[in-house]
Amino acid sequence: DVQLVQSGAEVRKPGESLRISCQGSGFFFTSYWIAWVRQKPGRGLEWMGVIFPYDSDVKYSPSFEGRVTFSVDKSINTAYLHWSSLEAADTAIYFCARTERIVVRPPAMGASDIWGLGTPVTVSS
Amino acid sequence: QSALTQPASVSGSPGQSISISCTGTSADVGDSDLVSWYQQQPVKAPRLLIYDVIKRPSGVPLRFSASKSGSTASLTISGLQAEDEAVYFCASYTNRNTVVFGGGTRVTVL
Repeated sequence: DVQLVQSGAEVRKPGESLRISCQGSGFFFTSYWIAWVRQKPGRGLEWMGVIFPYDSDVKYSPSFEGRVTFSVDKSINTAYLHWSSLEAADTAIYFCARTERIVVRPPAMGASDIWGLGTPVTVSS
Repeated sequence: QSALTQPASVSGSPGQSISISCTGTSADVGDSDLVSWYQQQPVKAPRLLIYDVIKRPSGVPLRFSASKSGSTASLTISGLQAEDEAVYFCASYTNRNTVVFGGGTRVTVL
């Protein structure tokens, strides 16, 4: 089965660091972007950015650049989302999604057809 | 960058047709063939309904269709069914090499 499996729910205090994961299976992990999408409680979807596992090419949304870091270990088909210092405003569900890479210059992002179930992150003192 | 503009809610009776608009700018929807639509049911991950403005992935019912005119994309659900109750999001590639989502539209089946 083609799927993305995300790590479980996390609870942290403000100022703490955190890394969550997203492991792909059933497809060529290095042929697609992996997007990260935030959804705050009761709110809409926010595109955080993408990483291309083949060469770790990364594109961040301006709203998230400098606040999170994407990384990947392509040997285990896993993408990561990392915070060095969490804030209460980071409380949300974080989805990863397989996203079509459109081969133009620069490479573009098509639709996201496979989604993980989401990782809830709660940041509270 | 600002989210694409969608109506907060749309409702219809079973069997009716409804449309959801998604308005952007010349920097995104107006300049992109990479517009997509997603359905999100409560406590679930989003599901891709439409990609490349008008294309339907396999498994998506024929009653879901989409179009685009200028900087406004639209999703139409024909023959509304109870199971279509969900929140619908549009998304577009932008000329800044990013993606922007719409704010979401809650569809209620009366």
